[in-house]
Amino acid sequence: EVQLVESGGGLVQPGRSLRLSCAAAGFTFDDYAMHWVRQAPGKGLEWVSSISWNSGNINYGDSVRGRFTISRDNAKNSLYLQMNSLRPEDTALYYCAKAAAITMIFDVWGKGTTVTVSS
Amino acid sequence: IQLTQSPSFLSASVGDRVTITCRANQGITSYLAWYQQKPGKAPKLLIYAASLLESGVPSRFSGSGSGTEFTLTINSLQPEDFATYYCQQLKNYPLTFGGGTKVEIK
Repeated sequence: EVQLVESGGGLVQPGRSLRLSCAAAGFTFDDYAMHWVRQAPGKGLEWVSSISWNSGNINYGDSVRGRFTISRDNAKNSLYLQMNSLRPEDTALYYCAKAAAITMIFDVWGKGTTVTVSS
Repeated sequence: IQLTQSPSFLSASVGDRVTITCRANQGITSYLAWYQQKPGKAPKLLIYAASLLESGVPSRFSGSGSGTEFTLTINSLQPEDFATYYCQQLKNYPLTFGGGTKVEIK
């Protein structure tokens, strides 16, 4: 069974850092691009970042560019999101998602991990 | 690329046919997907490439459109279909989602 499990969320003060992880199972991780998406409480979906299978192509949303860094370790079947200089508006449920073959469609999603930025 | 969904809220009954529209502010050919999200759950892919049904998704769901205007249609709404639906464009970065359409029980 294809499975994505996020971890690393929590309560953090503004300006501090947090690193999210996404453990993948049930598919050949290094064959697929991966994404991070977030959802603020009561709000819609916001794409955060994407990374190609070999980390050669990385993209960020405007609201996180320069503060967040996406990475992956194919040997560990893991995706990461390093979040620096966190702001209250970064408070959200963070999902990792797998890209479908060939396309970038988000075909499998994890259950998410919650990040709360507050003093 | 901005995506505008309409309506934002929709009240319907079991058995109704429901149509949700997603408009892009520039052409995205068929690089559009639809997702369903139920409360407390992760989104689920329904439709990709504007009109292709994801494996395992009931055939009462269908998508159409190209360019700047797209629709998601649910034929004969079922109790499990009450959820929020999002469109997403994958033509260009930054990838963007529509604001969502919440389908509620009348």
